[in-house]
Amino acid sequence: QTVVTQEPSFSVSPGGTVTLTCGLNSGSVSTTNHPSWYQQTPGQAPRILIHSISFRSSGVPDRFSGSIVGNKAALTITGAQADDESDYYCVLYVGSGSWVFGGGTKLTVL
Amino acid sequence: EVQLVESGGVLVHPGGSLRLSCAASGFTFSNYWMSWVRQAPGKGLEWVANIKGDGSEKYYVDSVKGRFTISRDNAKTSLDLQMNSLRAEDSAVYYCARWDLYSGYYSLHNWGQGTLVTVSS
Repeated sequence: QTVVTQEPSFSVSPGGTVTLTCGLNSGSVSTTNHPSWYQQTPGQAPRILIHSISFRSSGVPDRFSGSIVGNKAALTITGAQADDESDYYCVLYVGSGSWVFGGGTKLTVL
Repeated sequence: EVQLVESGGVLVHPGGSLRLSCAASGFTFSNYWMSWVRQAPGKGLEWVANIKGDGSEKYYVDSVKGRFTISRDNAKTSLDLQMNSLRAEDSAVYYCARWDLYSGYYSLHNWGQGTLVTVSS
């Protein structure tokens, strides 16, 4: 069974930089996994942040960036702000028409 | 403006059936892969099913195979999820979402507000 791994929680200071990661228990994340990133605040639908590995969706502040670093996809927030406190999810294509979301990272800004 | 509006979520008994719908507007519906994604209370997101624009390909997460059926009516621009043999673990907010293709990569750019399904006796 394919599992997509994310840090359950992370904390960052206001103005600080944090990198959240998205990995695969079966191996390395690559471009063929189509990694994308989503932000979700309580009671709201998810909102796309990063698509096509590293492209910011329309309206997303440029403090958010995406990449593949080593064997994982990564979401970096540079200059974190209080309203970045949210849950962050990645999703990966794992083949045979199937997609798997990571368990999500709860980001605290304090 | 792209709009996705889900409906049909209710309280249902274990073993029961339910049909969710998603009304789509603001785009050429038949051109897009569509998806159902769910989120159990207090849990993370889970991809449930995908359907190609012309309905010719469908894919499911293992836990719903044989119980759930995704379908679409391109003339009515609607997406459905028929859920049978429901279990307590199917309780979740179900989101309808649209896959977009940019630079050769797929991602979920538009989401509905979700509809809550509760499976309980």
